[in-house]
Amino acid sequence: KAGVTQTPRYLIKTRGQQVTLSCSPISGHRSVSWYQQTPGQGLQFLFEYFSETQRNKGNFPGRFSGRQFSNSRSEMNVSTLELGDSALYLCASSPRTGANVLTFGAGSRLTVL
Amino acid sequence: GIQVEQSPPDLILQEGANSTLRCNFSDSVNNLQWFHQNPWGQLINLFYIPSGTKQNGRLSATTVATERYSLLYISSSQTTDSGVYFCAVEGPGGYNKLIFGAGTRLAVHP
Repeated sequence: KAGVTQTPRYLIKTRGQQVTLSCSPISGHRSVSWYQQTPGQGLQFLFEYFSETQRNKGNFPGRFSGRQFSNSRSEMNVSTLELGDSALYLCASSPRTGANVLTFGAGSRLTVL
Repeated sequence: GIQVEQSPPDLILQEGANSTLRCNFSDSVNNLQWFHQNPWGQLINLFYIPSGTKQNGRLSATTVATERYSLLYISSSQTTDSGVYFCAVEGPGGYNKLIFGAGTRLAVHP
């Protein structure tokens, strides 16, 4: 059974640009959640999607957005990139929303110059 | 919101030693997971353990939900155990919103 797949694994952008990251969950999993990891703030929840609906959102500005498609694949977008957006972005999938095991992908490492 | 505290922040061991990592949380939780983050950044799920005790090889975990803490035991440590261990919890109605502790950085030397 394939795991959670995130693409791209590494990317470099410049300030002001936008970026789109993709996450393919484990087959059959309908919940996808996103996390940001930085040395200063640690691991922080961005948002969670279940059946194409955003169910929960963390404390991030509106520049951070996401969506989920009918096949449960998810994308997150960051617009008008800032230096502080440099981070490891991790995606996790689970069969349902709430109180169950989350399986993480390998992450997308974004560097903003 | 729920606060998660992990201790110790850093741990250095000789190969073969045993260790206990602790996670304290401030409120009732529906979900508690322990993860190991490898050097490439991937979070590997070790245990899903909102309550009770589980064992998997040299690792075991115990969560005492009524006292709001969880322990991760590593026995006969190996160099491959090195990395960062995170405890993460989800509060009621959390919709898979995990709140992570700051982690315990473990270094196992041969």
